Formats: sequence, structure tokens, C-alpha cells
Amino acid sequence: SQKIEQNSEALNIQEGKTATLTCNYTNYSPAYLQWYRQDPGRGPVFLLLIRENEKEKRKERLKVTFDTTLKQSLFHITASQPADSATYLCAPDLGGSQGNLIFGKGTKLSVKP
Amino acid sequence: EAQVTQNPRYLITVTGKKLTVTCSQNMNHEYMSWYRQDPGLGLRQIYYSMNVEVTDKGDVPEGYKVSRKEKRNFPLILESPSPNQTSLYFCASSPQTGSGSPLHFGNGTRLTVT
Repeated sequence: SQKIEQNSEALNIQEGKTATLTCNYTNYSPAYLQWYRQDPGRGPVFLLLIRENEKEKRKERLKVTFDTTLKQSLFHITASQPADSATYLCAPDLGGSQGNLIFGKGTKLSVKP
Repeated sequence: EAQVTQNPRYLITVTGKKLTVTCSQNMNHEYMSWYRQDPGLGLRQIYYSMNVEVTDKGDVPEGYKVSRKEKRNFPLILESPSPNQTSLYFCASSPQTGSGSPLHFGNGTRLTVT
């Protein structure tokens, strides 16, 4: 069955540095992958989507890559700020016409001033 | 304002007492879904609906029911809640299915079953 791993439960970095979060998937090939941000007690908020034929996507300080050979997506936040502290979820699609997503368990990012 | 609204935000109940968590979206979205989020397990899909009168099971449907009589509403029903259904529940919607449309989430319902 499909398996999603975000291989850091928590990541602590200094303000101004680049945060890099990893999402690995096994046993299938998603057509696209989404990244969400979740603050404590709130619902996830969509950030970026990248499709299998795209190597990289950018949005302001965010960058996502999608390596279908390595079965991996990387999520980067450049010039990180304390306000970026949150849990980040990766969500590849499950395949099929329904378009359902499978969510990783998330990486909790803490940016220290 | 475009949003997904869940009610209630917090709910404490006892084993066996039927309850309904409401979910409503004002974006005319076709797709709606319910998730539960538990520590160490992440977000898991309970049920989803691709359109009115069309619902299907997700990964963890046991103990739950849903209905989709109107496009905007997708209530989650627990006929006989048990303590293992204590969790944080999220409703979500998106414009289309199968195209990568992003999910819009509600702010969650924290349910405690004693």
C-alpha cells in the first residue's frame, strides 16, 4: 500500500536560514503532490501544488521540488522567520479519479529569532 | 468570505449518545471530505463525497456515517460514539476531484467521548 514519510517530526532552525523539509513516498507514483501549513488548533492551509512533470515550483519564499526517480519532494522556506513556525504537511494524491490525498504526519518547524 | 464552517468547535459527550458534526461550505465546491487527526497518526480520511448524493468510504469509516443531500452541507454522524473516536475532526472541500484542486479546511471540531 502507499506510504508517505516526512522524515523529520521536528526541525529547529535559526531565523534567516533556509528550512528544508522532506517528503518521501513508496509503492506508487502520484500525479501531483501538495504542501499544507497547519497552525495549532487550526485546519491545514494549502500552500503549493507540484505535478509529476514539474521539477520545481516557487511562490515567494517557498520552493517545492518533485523528484519522481527518488520518489521525494523537498519543501524549502528561504529567509525563514519566526512566523513560519508551524507544522507542514505533504499530501500526494492517491491516484484514481477521486483525487483523494494521502497526508504525511507532518514536520513541526520552529524558527528561533 | 469563502469558507468551510464546522460546528461545534468543541464537543464532550458520553459513550453511545448519538451526535452530529455539521459542515457547510459557501464556495459551491463539488468535493467534500471528513478527516480525523490523531497524534502520531496524522490526518486520516473518514468519508468523502464527489457530489450530491454520492459518498464513499475513506481509510477509517467504521463508526461514522455521512450524507450529502445538498451541495453545501456534509454532516458527520456518530450513531454510537465510543472513546476511540475522541479526536480532532476536520471537514474539507475542493472545487473538483482528480485535478489537484487544493483542499479548503474548516477549523476543526475537537471531540471527546467519555
